[in-house]
Amino acid sequence: SQELEQSPQSLIVQEGKNLTINCTSSKTLYGLYWYKQKYGEGLIFLMMLQKGGEEKSHEKITAKLDEKKQQSSLHITASQPSHAGIYLCGAYTGNQFYFGTGTSLTVIP
Amino acid sequence: ETGVTQTPRHLVMGMTNKKSLKCEQHLGHNAMYWYKQSAKKPLELMFVYNFKEQTENNSVPSRFSPECPNSSHLFLHLHTLQPEDSALYLCASSQTSGQTYEQYFGPGTRLTVT
Repeated sequence: SQELEQSPQSLIVQEGKNLTINCTSSKTLYGLYWYKQKYGEGLIFLMMLQKGGEEKSHEKITAKLDEKKQQSSLHITASQPSHAGIYLCGAYTGNQFYFGTGTSLTVIP
Repeated sequence: ETGVTQTPRHLVMGMTNKKSLKCEQHLGHNAMYWYKQSAKKPLELMFVYNFKEQTENNSVPSRFSPECPNSSHLFLHLHTLQPEDSALYLCASSQTSGQTYEQYFGPGTRLTVT
């Protein structure tokens, strides 16, 4: 079983639409990281959440951490083609760092 | 972003070849990582080095041999690989290994084993 499950696995949205990606852990989260990856390239760090209830925003991307639910959500407002790519959550569970299964986002102009 | 560089970007090798992947970070970090990304699988952590010492080896086959001569450079030596080793190999670095430091990634090396 995966330590970090992301949903949905893939997402196709029209430009301008809002969307949410979820990351759920099977274990207690000690900090949650969000990364974006363009196809076949390295990962770009988006933001890190450390405390339950914490919420951070960067441009049109907002992420929240719900420790009680062992879950984080990433919300994109008014999506643009530049938002397309694979979004990955990552977290330490105990001493090991795991990445989520990934969500592939396509934004149709 | 040129904080973490990887060479080569693409590599095709036969199963009997020996090759090396190189990673260099210019961020003054003390921890470096190798990850493997295969199609339709989560990123898999392979090795972790902290202050040049290997601190983690996630049951990686011995045909993958890491080397960290200093905190800025990390190598992955490859020999007698299998076709299933074809993947994107990503290098990352962070301030130190641990829960509070984000990792910065290189662009990856796309490896094809024929």
